[in-house]
Amino acid sequence: AQSVTQPDIHITVSEGASLELRCNYSYGATPYLFWYVQSPGQGLQLLLKYFSGDTLVQGIKGFEAEFKRSQSSFNLRKPSVHWSDAAEYFCAVRAGNQFYFGTGTSLTVIP
Amino acid sequence: NAGVTQTPKFQVLKTGQSMTLQCAQDMNHEYMSWYRQDPGMGLRLIHYSVGAGITDQGEVPNGYNVSRSTTEDFPLRLLSAAPSQTSVYFCASSSGLAGGAGELFFGEGSRLTVL
Repeated sequence: AQSVTQPDIHITVSEGASLELRCNYSYGATPYLFWYVQSPGQGLQLLLKYFSGDTLVQGIKGFEAEFKRSQSSFNLRKPSVHWSDAAEYFCAVRAGNQFYFGTGTSLTVIP
Repeated sequence: NAGVTQTPKFQVLKTGQSMTLQCAQDMNHEYMSWYRQDPGMGLRLIHYSVGAGITDQGEVPNGYNVSRSTTEDFPLRLLSAAPSQTSVYFCASSSGLAGGAGELFFGEGSRLTVL
């Protein structure tokens, strides 16, 4: 069965520090992978996606993610976090006509 | 440039009442879906549709009905609300896999409380 695991429920980083959010997926075929961000009381906004080609993908707001097939991972990174990055982050995999989401990682940014 | 529009944004129901959450998209997307978001559970798929007249169940379909009579609209019906259906509901649409990954575009959510 398809699934997505985000092992970190909550992460706290200092402003200006680097960030890595972990995502592992379970899916038999070539995955379509996504990272979304959700600010409080808002819908989800796409940060970046992977479906083929270069395994390092660039997204909006300075985020990037790397697809590693051997590790079934799609970790999200940002070299320098801004206070406005505080939000909930969701990793997702598309399997046919269904999307599977992780349980999310809540990011707190301290000044 | 509306995208995905959900109404209402907030609703309080009593147990046993019925209601419909409305969802409309103006991007001519064939794929539409409904999710519920609960603390610590992420987003779980309720129902989805790959085109007008075609619907299918997702992970948590019990207690919910959908129909798709037009490309633009995909309403979600609660026939007899239960407290377990207290949640935030999101509608999302996608252009499908053609030409890319077919990412989801989300509405702003509808917060439902069942007393």
